[in-house]
Amino acid sequence: ETGVTQSPTHLIKTRGQQVTLRCSSQSGHNTVSWYQQALGQGPQFIFQYYREEENGRGNFPPRFSGLQFPNYSSELNVNALELDDSALYLCASSNRGYEQYFGPGTRLTVT
Amino acid sequence: EDQVTQSPEALRLQEGESSSLNCSYTVSGLRGLFWYRQDPGKGPEFLFTLYSAGEEKEKERLKATLTKKESFLHITAPKPEDSATYLCAVQSNAGGTSYEKLTFGQGTILTVHP
Repeated sequence: ETGVTQSPTHLIKTRGQQVTLRCSSQSGHNTVSWYQQALGQGPQFIFQYYREEENGRGNFPPRFSGLQFPNYSSELNVNALELDDSALYLCASSNRGYEQYFGPGTRLTVT
Repeated sequence: EDQVTQSPEALRLQEGESSSLNCSYTVSGLRGLFWYRQDPGKGPEFLFTLYSAGEEKEKERLKATLTKKESFLHITAPKPEDSATYLCAVQSNAGGTSYEKLTFGQGTILTVHP
């Protein structure tokens, strides 16, 4: 059974740029959730995708957007990057109603 | 709004010295309470799910318990490899929520010295 994978591992961007992060869900899982984790804090929910549609969103602005593909993999896009967007971005996959399993994360640094 | 508070923020133990981590929560209808372990620079690793007050689950040196207001993660005779950040999260079923958002606490950093 393949676990959740994310790419890239690390990324450095300049303020104002755009970034795309990728996630492959665990085999058999149909739901993907994205979280942002600032240093020393717990993860914060960004949004969730189920059957290729966003079905829940946290307190993040519209410049955070995403996609889910037919194979249940997902992308997180962030436009107009700000310094405060520097964080560990975590993807979690699950089957609805069950535990969420996290990937290793993408470390984004905005300079 | 769901809230989770973990204490202490940091805990230093000697190898073999048992202790407990606390997770206090406020939620409108608990669907589940989750414990995760996170090593530096890595994603959280799932440990336990608890669904109702009185429930207990065990895994090696770890035991999680749940009441109506809080959860405890008991660590018996810890080893240095148990050093990590332990995260608690809740999932609410309030208002017919169709999505399964996790609300996390800030975590407890556990360090076990040999």
